[in-house]
Amino acid sequence: AQSVTQLGSHVSVSEGALVLLRCNYSSSVPPYLFWYVQYPNQGLQLLLKYTSAATLVKGINGFEAEFKKSETSFHLTKPSAHMSDAAEYFCAVSEGGTSYGKLTFGQGTILTVHP
Amino acid sequence: DAGVIQSPRHEVTEMGQEVTLRCKPISGHDYLFWYRQTMMRGLELLIYFNNNVPIDDSGMPEDRFSAKMPNASFSTLKIQPSEPRDSAVYFCASSLSGQGVSPLHFGNGTRLTVT
Repeated sequence: AQSVTQLGSHVSVSEGALVLLRCNYSSSVPPYLFWYVQYPNQGLQLLLKYTSAATLVKGINGFEAEFKKSETSFHLTKPSAHMSDAAEYFCAVSEGGTSYGKLTFGQGTILTVHP
Repeated sequence: DAGVIQSPRHEVTEMGQEVTLRCKPISGHDYLFWYRQTMMRGLELLIYFNNNVPIDDSGMPEDRFSAKMPNASFSTLKIQPSEPRDSAVYFCASSLSGQGVSPLHFGNGTRLTVT
Protein backbone atom coordinates (compact mmCIF):
# COMPACT_ATOMS: atom_id res chain seq x y z
CA ALA A 1 0.00 0.00 0.00
CA GLN A 2 1.09 3.53 -0.68
CA SER A 3 1.61 6.12 2.02
CA VAL A 4 2.81 9.69 2.33
CA THR A 5 4.48 11.40 5.28
CA GLN A 6 4.78 15.15 5.46
CA LEU A 7 7.34 16.26 8.01
CA GLY A 8 6.11 19.24 9.93
CA SER A 9 2.45 20.09 10.22
CA HIS A 10 3.31 23.81 10.42
CA VAL A 11 6.08 25.74 8.69
CA SER A 12 6.66 29.45 9.20
CA VAL A 13 8.89 31.61 7.01
CA SER A 14 9.50 35.28 6.41
CA GLU A 15 8.48 36.93 3.19
CA GLY A 16 11.31 36.52 0.71
CA ALA A 17 12.79 33.49 2.45
CA LEU A 18 13.17 30.00 1.04
CA VAL A 19 10.18 27.70 1.38
CA LEU A 20 10.88 24.00 1.95
CA LEU A 21 8.05 21.56 2.60
CA ARG A 22 9.06 17.95 3.10
CA CYS A 23 7.37 14.86 1.75
CA ASN A 24 8.41 11.22 1.89
CA TYR A 25 6.48 8.48 0.22
CA SER A 26 6.17 4.74 0.29
CA SER A 27 5.14 2.89 -2.82
CA SER A 28 5.49 -0.67 -4.05
CA VAL A 29 5.47 0.48 -7.66
CA PRO A 30 7.04 3.47 -9.44
CA PRO A 31 4.97 6.32 -8.10
CA TYR A 32 3.22 9.28 -9.54
CA LEU A 33 3.53 12.13 -7.05
CA PHE A 34 1.63 15.37 -6.64
CA TRP A 35 1.60 18.54 -4.60
CA TYR A 36 -1.69 20.31 -4.01
CA VAL A 37 -2.45 23.61 -2.29
CA GLN A 38 -5.58 24.44 -0.34
CA TYR A 39 -6.61 27.99 0.47
CA PRO A 40 -9.19 28.59 3.23
CA ASN A 41 -12.69 27.42 2.37
CA GLN A 42 -11.61 26.12 -1.01
CA GLY A 43 -10.86 22.81 -2.63
CA LEU A 44 -7.41 21.54 -3.44
CA GLN A 45 -5.59 22.90 -6.47
CA LEU A 46 -2.79 21.13 -8.30
CA LEU A 47 0.63 22.74 -7.92
CA LEU A 48 2.71 20.19 -9.80
CA LYS A 49 3.02 16.51 -10.61
CA TYR A 50 5.81 14.01 -11.12
CA THR A 51 5.22 11.40 -13.79
CA SER A 52 8.72 9.97 -14.28
CA ALA A 53 9.60 12.26 -17.18
CA ALA A 54 12.00 14.49 -15.23
CA THR A 55 13.09 14.41 -11.61
CA LEU A 56 12.86 18.19 -11.18
CA VAL A 57 9.32 19.32 -11.69
CA LYS A 58 8.26 22.93 -12.03
CA GLY A 59 4.78 23.99 -11.05
CA ILE A 60 2.67 27.07 -10.77
CA ASN A 61 3.43 30.15 -8.66
CA GLY A 62 7.19 29.52 -8.72
CA PHE A 63 7.09 26.22 -6.86
CA GLU A 64 9.15 23.20 -7.83
CA ALA A 65 9.81 19.74 -6.44
CA GLU A 66 12.53 17.19 -6.91
CA PHE A 67 11.94 13.46 -7.01
CA LYS A 68 14.70 11.51 -5.25
CA LYS A 69 14.16 7.80 -5.53
CA SER A 70 17.06 6.89 -3.23
CA GLU A 71 15.56 9.01 -0.48
CA THR A 72 11.92 8.28 -1.38
CA SER A 73 11.34 12.01 -1.16
CA PHE A 74 9.48 14.67 -3.12
CA HIS A 75 10.14 17.93 -1.28
CA LEU A 76 8.50 21.15 -2.41
CA THR A 77 10.51 24.36 -2.63
CA LYS A 78 10.16 27.98 -3.61
CA PRO A 79 13.14 30.34 -3.58
CA SER A 80 11.29 33.36 -2.23
CA ALA A 81 8.08 33.22 -0.23
CA HIS A 82 5.24 35.61 -0.89
CA MET A 83 2.43 36.49 1.47
CA SER A 84 -0.02 34.91 -0.97
CA ASP A 85 1.70 31.54 -0.51
CA ALA A 86 0.16 31.16 2.94
CA ALA A 87 -2.04 28.06 2.67
CA GLU A 88 -2.07 24.36 3.44
CA TYR A 89 -0.04 22.08 1.20
CA PHE A 90 -0.64 18.41 0.56
CA CYS A 91 1.66 15.83 -0.92
CA ALA A 92 -0.03 12.85 -2.58
CA VAL A 93 0.91 9.57 -4.24
CA SER A 94 -1.08 7.66 -6.80
CA GLU A 95 -2.34 4.36 -5.49
CA GLY A 96 -0.87 1.37 -7.24
CA GLY A 97 0.71 3.52 -9.88
CA THR A 98 -2.69 4.36 -11.32
CA SER A 99 -2.87 7.31 -13.65
CA TYR A 100 -6.45 8.39 -13.23
CA GLY A 101 -6.34 10.19 -9.93
CA LYS A 102 -6.82 7.69 -7.13
CA LEU A 103 -4.56 9.34 -4.58
CA THR A 104 -3.35 8.88 -1.04
CA PHE A 105 -2.70 12.21 0.67
CA GLY A 106 -0.32 13.25 3.40
CA GLN A 107 -1.60 15.00 6.49
CA GLY A 108 -0.82 18.44 5.12
CA THR A 109 1.55 21.25 6.06
CA ILE A 110 0.26 24.69 6.93
CA LEU A 111 2.58 27.39 5.60
CA THR A 112 2.59 30.74 7.35
CA VAL A 113 4.41 33.68 5.77
CA HIS A 114 5.42 36.59 7.99
CA PRO A 115 5.97 40.11 6.64
CA ASP B 1 -14.93 25.33 -17.79
CA ALA B 2 -16.96 25.72 -14.61
CA GLY B 3 -14.95 23.19 -12.66
CA VAL B 4 -16.37 20.67 -10.22
CA ILE B 5 -19.51 22.05 -8.60
CA GLN B 6 -20.69 20.94 -5.19
CA SER B 7 -23.82 21.84 -3.30
CA PRO B 8 -24.61 22.91 -0.72
CA ARG B 9 -21.47 24.73 0.48
CA HIS B 10 -22.60 24.42 4.08
CA GLU B 11 -25.04 22.06 5.71
CA VAL B 12 -26.09 22.06 9.35
CA THR B 13 -28.37 19.30 10.50
CA GLU B 14 -29.43 17.50 13.62
CA MET B 15 -28.35 14.04 14.53
CA GLY B 16 -30.56 11.41 12.96
CA GLN B 17 -31.50 13.45 9.93
CA GLU B 18 -30.76 12.45 6.35
CA VAL B 19 -28.16 14.50 4.52
CA THR B 20 -27.57 14.54 0.76
CA LEU B 21 -24.51 16.10 -0.80
CA ARG B 22 -24.39 16.79 -4.51
CA CYS B 23 -21.66 16.97 -7.12
CA LYS B 24 -21.40 17.88 -10.78
CA PRO B 25 -18.05 16.79 -12.24
CA ILE B 26 -16.21 18.50 -15.05
CA SER B 27 -17.86 17.66 -18.34
CA GLY B 28 -16.16 14.76 -20.07
CA HIS B 29 -14.34 13.46 -17.00
CA ASP B 30 -14.83 9.73 -16.52
CA TYR B 31 -13.68 9.34 -12.92
CA LEU B 32 -15.40 10.80 -9.88
CA PHE B 33 -14.14 10.63 -6.31
CA TRP B 34 -15.65 11.49 -2.93
CA TYR B 35 -13.18 12.48 -0.20
CA ARG B 36 -13.77 13.47 3.42
CA GLN B 37 -11.48 15.88 5.25
CA THR B 38 -11.22 16.10 9.04
CA MET B 39 -8.60 17.47 11.38
CA MET B 40 -8.00 14.07 12.91
CA ARG B 41 -7.89 11.87 9.82
CA GLY B 42 -6.95 14.27 7.04
CA LEU B 43 -8.21 13.48 3.53
CA GLU B 44 -9.81 10.09 3.18
CA LEU B 45 -11.09 8.53 -0.01
CA LEU B 46 -14.63 7.31 0.52
CA ILE B 47 -15.62 5.97 -2.88
CA TYR B 48 -14.90 6.43 -6.54
CA PHE B 49 -16.70 5.83 -9.81
CA ASN B 50 -15.57 5.13 -13.34
CA ASN B 51 -18.06 5.82 -16.12
CA ASN B 52 -20.80 6.09 -13.47
CA VAL B 53 -20.03 2.66 -11.99
CA PRO B 54 -18.79 2.41 -8.39
CA ILE B 55 -15.34 0.84 -8.44
CA ASP B 56 -14.19 0.92 -4.84
CA ASP B 57 -16.31 1.83 -1.83
CA SER B 58 -13.98 0.38 0.79
CA GLY B 59 -13.51 3.80 2.32
CA MET B 60 -17.17 4.31 3.11
CA PRO B 61 -17.31 4.34 6.91
CA GLU B 62 -20.44 2.26 7.37
CA ASP B 63 -23.82 1.41 5.97
CA ARG B 64 -25.16 4.83 6.87
CA PHE B 65 -23.20 6.19 3.90
CA SER B 66 -24.25 5.60 0.32
CA ALA B 67 -23.25 7.16 -2.99
CA LYS B 68 -24.79 7.11 -6.43
CA MET B 69 -23.93 8.36 -9.87
CA PRO B 70 -27.05 8.10 -12.03
CA ASN B 71 -25.39 9.80 -14.99
CA ALA B 72 -22.09 11.28 -16.09
CA SER B 73 -22.92 14.74 -14.82
CA PHE B 74 -24.27 14.09 -11.35
CA SER B 75 -23.39 12.24 -8.17
CA THR B 76 -24.78 12.19 -4.63
CA LEU B 77 -23.41 11.18 -1.28
CA LYS B 78 -26.08 10.39 1.28
CA ILE B 79 -25.77 9.93 5.02
CA GLN B 80 -28.76 8.38 6.78
CA PRO B 81 -29.00 8.74 9.72
CA SER B 82 -26.36 11.39 10.33
CA GLU B 83 -24.25 11.47 13.50
CA PRO B 84 -22.07 14.21 15.04
CA ARG B 85 -18.92 12.29 14.11
CA ASP B 86 -19.86 12.73 10.44
CA SER B 87 -19.07 16.43 10.74
CA ALA B 88 -16.37 17.15 8.17
CA VAL B 89 -15.72 18.77 4.82
CA TYR B 90 -16.73 16.51 1.97
CA PHE B 91 -14.99 16.98 -1.36
CA CYS B 92 -15.94 15.74 -4.76
CA ALA B 93 -13.22 15.48 -7.40
CA SER B 94 -13.09 14.34 -10.99
CA SER B 95 -10.41 13.30 -13.45
CA LEU B 96 -10.01 12.26 -17.06
CA SER B 97 -8.22 9.05 -17.94
CA GLY B 98 -6.44 8.19 -21.14
CA GLN B 99 -4.33 11.33 -21.37
CA GLY B 100 -1.30 10.45 -19.35
CA VAL B 101 -1.26 11.01 -15.64
CA SER B 102 -4.42 12.84 -14.79
CA PRO B 103 -4.63 15.09 -11.75
CA LEU B 104 -7.70 15.40 -9.59
CA HIS B 105 -9.86 18.47 -9.99
CA PHE B 106 -11.60 19.31 -6.73
CA GLY B 107 -14.78 21.12 -5.93
CA ASN B 108 -14.92 23.66 -3.13
CA GLY B 109 -16.41 21.14 -0.74
CA THR B 110 -19.45 20.87 1.47
CA ARG B 111 -18.90 21.64 5.13
CA LEU B 112 -21.23 19.40 7.11
CA THR B 113 -22.04 20.03 10.74
CA VAL B 114 -24.17 17.52 12.59
CA THR B 115 -25.40 18.69 15.99
